[in-house]
Amino acid sequence: DAGITQSPRHKVTETGTPVTLRCHQTENHRYMYWYRQDPGHGLRLIHYSYGVKDTDKGEVSDGYSVSRSKTEDFLLTLESATSSQTSVYFCAIGRVRGSSYEQYFGPGTRLTVT
Amino acid sequence: DQQVKQNSPSLSVQEGRISILNCDYTNSMFDYFLWYKKYPAEGPTFLISISSIKDKNEDGRFTVFLNKSAKHLSLHIVPSQPGDSAVYFCAASVTQGGSEKLVFGKGTKLTVNP
Repeated sequence: DAGITQSPRHKVTETGTPVTLRCHQTENHRYMYWYRQDPGHGLRLIHYSYGVKDTDKGEVSDGYSVSRSKTEDFLLTLESATSSQTSVYFCAIGRVRGSSYEQYFGPGTRLTVT
Repeated sequence: DQQVKQNSPSLSVQEGRISILNCDYTNSMFDYFLWYKKYPAEGPTFLISISSIKDKNEDGRFTVFLNKSAKHLSLHIVPSQPGDSAVYFCAASVTQGGSEKLVFGKGTKLTVNP
């Protein structure tokens, strides 16, 4: 547990509406990530951040944008939600620990786009 | 092109015996390898990781072995317990843009029978 919370935990929205998911961390980690998990695909990286206002795209970034105005908050926005964005979204923080690297995940947000 | 592969979708073992979960990868530039356990409706739980310069790392009942020449890693759980029943994900990290980015396998569902 790295002090990661996600909100909302569940959301149902209609196609074409904007949606913002929030990730909040309490331990001042520099690196934050957004993933989606879908059956048959494991977890796939959407966007990541390596500092305030520093973000970059992952492997499935189309249709998503992110913002990080404070160290503790990383926001994921679906500008115009589509049914293909129905998924479970996980936020994570990353850190190097000695000779190891670790990523810790939040509890997830289940998003349904109708 | 799947860079991280878990070829066994499921595994069933008896309580007290050893569970061996396998993972293959294709990218020799991966820096770290991580294992996660995931229960339904929860975020992935970090278990153990290993640097690409090591061949073994141990933490309690969990041991990860890395065979770089074969591009193969495995997670050993000894002894297996019913509470270990979950989906296990293998992940590999690569440094890009100053950040470690994870690539996940699709998971193996472990069932430990009492």
